[in-house]
Amino acid sequence: SSELTQDPAVSVALGQTVRITCQGDNLRTYYGNWYQQKPGQAPVLVIHGKNNRPSGISDRFSGSTSGNTSSLTITGAQAEDEGDYYCGSRDSDDHLMFGGGTKLTVL
Amino acid sequence: EVQLVESGGGLVKPGGSLRLSCASSGFTFRSYSMHWVRQAPGKGLEWVSSISSSGNYIYYADSVKGRFTISRDNAKTSVFLQMNSLRAEDTAVYFCARMILVGATAFDYWGPGTLVTVSS
Repeated sequence: SSELTQDPAVSVALGQTVRITCQGDNLRTYYGNWYQQKPGQAPVLVIHGKNNRPSGISDRFSGSTSGNTSSLTITGAQAEDEGDYYCGSRDSDDHLMFGGGTKLTVL
Repeated sequence: EVQLVESGGGLVKPGGSLRLSCASSGFTFRSYSMHWVRQAPGKGLEWVSSISSSGNYIYYADSVKGRFTISRDNAKTSVFLQMNSLRAEDTAVYFCARMILVGATAFDYWGPGTLVTVSS
């Protein structure tokens, strides 16, 4: 199916490591990309492709894929990492899609 | 510096029309595919439409196909979204976004968005 599924909410203690996952059949063929969005702001790309960070993105962020699951890992989470995280990908018809988003809380 | 700025949002009655514009600067616009993504209040991101760098390839989400039309003017470095037969469920912030040039189908730059409200 052309859907991406994310857990609605995840929490992590300050300085700990958290993994946010995204599942979908299309992820077996196409990479998942990851966006961070803070309230009232546009999304920001944090991971694209196999595990690529755009310029200016902290190396706390890393990505991986296994089977139908794409994962975003934040190592040593900081308060500024709080926000909503969306995975995005595509299907074979060049239609794009996003997961429902995961709200990350840093405790 | 890459910049994308949307305009044209506002309040419109159900069944009405709006034309969104996205003005770009700071990069070679004609080399990039451009896209519209929307976000309903309190909801997640939804891809709306894509147009290739040349304008020859166009795609729409099923939810807007037949009602919305994407276009671009490479000379004016702008992309547009003509929205007709608007419905309450089209109420959202509309973002324009640039797709990364090589590799994954990821959006590397986004505009701040423009709010479209469909209500009587």
